Amino acid sequence: NAGVTQTPKFRVLKTGQSMTLLCAQDMNHEYMYWYRQDPGMGLRLIHYSVGEGTTAKGEVPDGYNVSRLKKQNFLLGLESAAPSQTSVYFCASSYRTGGEQYFGPGTRLTVT
Amino acid sequence: AQKITQTQPGMFVQEKEAVTLDCTYDTSDQSYGLFWYKQPSSGEMIFLIYQGSYDEQNATEGRYSLNFQKARKSANLVISASQLGDSAMYFCAMRERGSNFGNEKLTFGTGTRLTIIP
Repeated sequence: NAGVTQTPKFRVLKTGQSMTLLCAQDMNHEYMYWYRQDPGMGLRLIHYSVGEGTTAKGEVPDGYNVSRLKKQNFLLGLESAAPSQTSVYFCASSYRTGGEQYFGPGTRLTVT
Repeated sequence: AQKITQTQPGMFVQEKEAVTLDCTYDTSDQSYGLFWYKQPSSGEMIFLIYQGSYDEQNATEGRYSLNFQKARKSANLVISASQLGDSAMYFCAMRERGSNFGNEKLTFGTGTRLTIIP
Protein backbone atom coordinates (compact mmCIF):
# COMPACT_ATOMS: atom_id res chain seq x y z
CA ASN A 1 0.00 0.00 0.00
CA ALA A 2 1.96 3.00 -1.28
CA GLY A 3 -0.47 5.71 -0.10
CA VAL A 4 0.14 8.92 -2.05
CA THR A 5 3.04 9.06 -4.48
CA GLN A 6 4.38 11.97 -6.51
CA THR A 7 6.49 12.05 -9.65
CA PRO A 8 9.08 13.51 -10.05
CA LYS A 9 10.77 14.25 -6.71
CA PHE A 10 12.95 17.04 -8.09
CA ARG A 11 12.88 19.10 -11.26
CA VAL A 12 14.67 22.13 -12.64
CA LEU A 13 12.95 24.11 -15.41
CA LYS A 14 13.90 27.11 -17.45
CA THR A 15 11.48 30.02 -17.60
CA GLY A 16 8.80 29.33 -20.20
CA GLN A 17 9.13 25.57 -20.18
CA SER A 18 6.18 23.35 -19.35
CA MET A 19 5.85 20.27 -17.20
CA THR A 20 3.33 18.01 -15.52
CA LEU A 21 3.49 16.72 -11.96
CA LEU A 22 1.79 13.40 -11.35
CA CYS A 23 0.06 12.42 -8.13
CA ALA A 24 -1.28 8.91 -7.57
CA GLN A 25 -3.13 7.43 -4.61
CA ASP A 26 -4.14 3.84 -3.97
CA MET A 27 -6.60 4.46 -1.11
CA ASN A 28 -9.68 4.93 -3.32
CA HIS A 29 -10.08 8.49 -2.03
CA GLU A 30 -12.56 10.79 -3.74
CA TYR A 31 -10.86 14.05 -2.79
CA MET A 32 -7.46 15.15 -4.02
CA TYR A 33 -5.52 18.39 -3.58
CA TRP A 34 -2.45 20.21 -4.85
CA TYR A 35 -0.59 22.59 -2.52
CA ARG A 36 2.54 24.66 -2.78
CA GLN A 37 4.80 25.33 0.19
CA ASP A 38 6.97 28.41 0.31
CA PRO A 39 9.20 29.54 3.19
CA GLY A 40 7.27 31.38 5.89
CA MET A 41 3.92 30.89 4.14
CA GLY A 42 2.75 27.42 5.11
CA LEU A 43 0.82 25.41 2.55
CA ARG A 44 -1.45 27.11 0.06
CA LEU A 45 -4.07 25.29 -1.96
CA ILE A 46 -3.64 25.51 -5.75
CA HIS A 47 -6.42 23.29 -7.11
CA TYR A 48 -8.49 20.44 -5.82
CA SER A 49 -10.86 17.73 -7.01
CA VAL A 50 -13.93 16.25 -5.35
CA GLY A 51 -14.09 13.27 -7.67
CA GLU A 52 -13.10 11.81 -11.02
CA GLY A 53 -13.63 14.30 -13.81
CA THR A 54 -14.02 17.33 -11.50
CA THR A 55 -11.58 20.09 -10.59
CA ALA A 56 -11.86 23.42 -8.80
CA LYS A 57 -9.64 26.39 -8.04
CA GLY A 58 -8.03 26.90 -4.68
CA GLU A 59 -6.33 29.91 -3.18
CA VAL A 60 -3.48 30.34 -5.72
CA PRO A 61 -4.57 28.78 -9.05
CA ASP A 62 -3.00 31.22 -11.53
CA GLY A 63 -0.40 29.68 -13.82
CA TYR A 64 -1.49 26.10 -13.09
CA ASN A 65 -3.93 23.65 -14.62
CA VAL A 66 -5.10 20.29 -13.36
CA SER A 67 -6.87 17.20 -14.58
CA ARG A 68 -8.47 14.21 -12.87
CA LEU A 69 -9.25 11.74 -15.63
CA LYS A 70 -8.92 8.75 -13.32
CA LYS A 71 -9.95 8.58 -9.68
CA GLN A 72 -6.50 7.57 -8.52
CA ASN A 73 -4.54 10.24 -10.42
CA PHE A 74 -4.40 14.02 -10.14
CA LEU A 75 -2.14 15.92 -12.53
CA LEU A 76 -0.78 19.42 -12.04
CA GLY A 77 0.45 21.25 -15.13
CA LEU A 78 2.57 24.32 -15.57
CA GLU A 79 2.17 25.60 -19.14
CA SER A 80 4.83 28.31 -19.02
CA ALA A 81 6.94 28.13 -15.89
CA ALA A 82 7.99 31.31 -14.08
CA PRO A 83 10.60 31.81 -11.33
CA SER A 84 7.72 32.64 -8.94
CA GLN A 85 6.62 29.02 -9.28
CA THR A 86 9.81 27.79 -7.62
CA SER A 87 8.40 25.91 -4.65
CA VAL A 88 7.78 22.53 -3.07
CA TYR A 89 4.57 20.99 -4.35
CA PHE A 90 2.52 18.58 -2.28
CA CYS A 91 -0.33 16.39 -3.34
CA ALA A 92 -2.84 15.11 -0.80
CA SER A 93 -5.95 12.97 -0.74
CA SER A 94 -8.80 12.37 1.69
CA TYR A 95 -11.67 9.94 1.93
CA ARG A 96 -14.26 12.56 2.82
CA THR A 97 -14.71 16.28 2.45
CA GLY A 98 -12.97 18.13 5.25
CA GLY A 99 -11.34 14.95 6.50
CA GLU A 100 -7.79 14.13 7.38
CA GLN A 101 -5.56 14.52 4.35
CA TYR A 102 -2.78 12.11 3.47
CA PHE A 103 0.18 13.75 1.80
CA GLY A 104 2.67 12.65 -0.80
CA PRO A 105 6.42 13.17 -0.30
CA GLY A 106 6.52 16.41 -2.28
CA THR A 107 8.18 17.64 -5.49
CA ARG A 108 10.88 20.29 -5.30
CA LEU A 109 10.64 22.49 -8.39
CA THR A 110 13.15 25.16 -9.31
CA VAL A 111 12.49 27.54 -12.19
CA THR A 112 15.53 29.48 -13.40
CA ALA B 1 -7.47 38.34 8.17
CA GLN B 2 -5.45 35.26 8.99
CA LYS B 3 -7.66 32.25 9.54
CA ILE B 4 -4.94 30.31 11.33
CA THR B 5 -2.28 32.04 13.38
CA GLN B 6 0.81 30.38 14.77
CA THR B 7 2.71 33.05 16.65
CA GLN B 8 5.83 31.05 17.50
CA PRO B 9 8.13 30.83 14.46
CA GLY B 10 10.61 28.76 16.46
CA MET B 11 10.93 27.04 19.82
CA PHE B 12 13.75 25.32 21.67
CA VAL B 13 12.82 22.77 24.32
CA GLN B 14 14.91 20.48 26.52
CA GLU B 15 14.48 16.79 25.86
CA LYS B 16 11.87 15.09 28.11
CA GLU B 17 10.10 18.35 28.85
CA ALA B 18 6.54 19.02 27.73
CA VAL B 19 5.98 21.57 24.99
CA THR B 20 2.95 23.57 23.92
CA LEU B 21 2.64 24.88 20.36
CA ASP B 22 0.15 27.68 19.98
CA CYS B 23 -2.58 27.94 17.37
CA THR B 24 -5.45 30.39 17.20
CA TYR B 25 -8.11 30.40 14.52
CA ASP B 26 -10.77 32.63 13.13
CA THR B 27 -14.09 31.35 11.81
CA SER B 28 -17.77 32.21 11.97
CA ASP B 29 -18.80 28.61 11.29
CA GLN B 30 -20.32 26.49 14.04
CA SER B 31 -19.02 23.31 12.45
CA TYR B 32 -15.29 23.18 11.83
CA GLY B 33 -12.29 20.99 12.52
CA LEU B 34 -8.70 21.54 13.58
CA PHE B 35 -5.72 19.46 12.57
CA TRP B 36 -2.06 19.32 13.48
CA TYR B 37 0.58 18.07 11.08
CA LYS B 38 4.29 17.41 11.61
CA GLN B 39 6.89 18.02 8.91
CA PRO B 40 10.32 16.58 9.74
CA SER B 41 13.44 17.65 7.86
CA SER B 42 12.80 14.86 5.34
CA GLY B 43 9.86 16.92 4.10
CA GLU B 44 6.80 14.69 4.36
CA MET B 45 3.63 15.90 6.09
CA ILE B 46 2.47 13.61 8.88
CA PHE B 47 -1.01 13.87 10.39
CA LEU B 48 -0.90 13.99 14.20
CA ILE B 49 -4.28 14.81 15.69
CA TYR B 50 -7.77 16.13 14.94
CA GLN B 51 -10.38 18.01 16.98
CA GLY B 52 -13.91 18.66 15.82
CA SER B 53 -15.72 21.77 16.97
CA TYR B 54 -18.48 19.72 18.57
CA ASP B 55 -16.12 17.31 20.36
CA GLU B 56 -16.58 17.84 24.07
CA GLN B 57 -13.31 16.27 25.12
CA ASN B 58 -9.84 17.29 24.07
CA ALA B 59 -8.35 14.93 21.49
CA THR B 60 -5.39 12.77 22.48
CA GLU B 61 -3.11 10.53 20.44
CA GLY B 62 -0.29 8.97 22.42
CA ARG B 63 2.04 11.77 23.53
CA TYR B 64 0.03 14.36 21.59
CA SER B 65 -2.96 16.15 22.98
CA LEU B 66 -4.92 19.11 21.69
CA ASN B 67 -5.85 21.78 24.22
CA PHE B 68 -9.06 23.03 22.64
CA GLN B 69 -10.48 26.27 24.07
CA LYS B 70 -13.45 27.11 21.92
CA ALA B 71 -14.31 30.46 23.48
CA ARG B 72 -10.74 31.65 22.99
CA LYS B 73 -10.57 30.09 19.52
CA SER B 74 -7.37 28.31 20.34
CA ALA B 75 -6.24 24.77 19.57
CA ASN B 76 -2.80 24.32 21.05
CA LEU B 77 -0.81 21.14 20.53
CA VAL B 78 0.78 19.67 23.64
CA ILE B 79 3.60 17.16 23.30
CA SER B 80 4.43 15.38 26.54
CA ALA B 81 7.91 14.05 27.34
CA SER B 82 9.54 15.46 24.22
CA GLN B 83 12.03 13.37 22.26
CA LEU B 84 14.80 14.29 19.83
CA GLY B 85 12.65 12.89 17.02
CA ASP B 86 10.03 15.55 17.74
CA SER B 87 12.28 18.18 16.17
CA ALA B 88 10.31 19.31 13.11
CA MET B 89 7.99 21.96 11.70
CA TYR B 90 4.47 21.76 13.07
CA PHE B 91 1.46 23.09 11.19
CA CYS B 92 -1.99 23.84 12.50
CA ALA B 93 -4.83 23.65 9.96
CA MET B 94 -8.57 24.29 9.97
CA ARG B 95 -11.40 23.04 7.85
CA GLU B 96 -14.59 25.04 7.60
CA ARG B 97 -17.94 24.10 6.17
CA GLY B 98 -19.23 27.57 5.30
CA SER B 99 -21.37 27.56 2.18
CA ASN B 100 -19.20 24.94 0.51
CA PHE B 101 -20.75 21.78 1.84
CA GLY B 102 -18.98 18.94 0.10
CA ASN B 103 -16.07 21.17 -0.87
CA GLU B 104 -14.51 21.75 2.53
CA LYS B 105 -10.83 22.59 2.37
CA LEU B 106 -8.02 23.02 4.83
CA THR B 107 -6.34 26.33 5.61
CA PHE B 108 -2.85 26.02 7.08
CA GLY B 109 -0.92 28.25 9.44
CA THR B 110 2.66 29.28 8.77
CA GLY B 111 4.10 26.72 11.14
CA THR B 112 6.34 26.52 14.20
CA ARG B 113 9.81 25.04 14.03
CA LEU B 114 10.43 22.96 17.15
CA THR B 115 13.95 21.99 18.13
CA ILE B 116 14.49 19.52 20.95
CA ILE B 117 17.80 20.01 22.78
CA PRO B 118 19.51 16.92 24.25
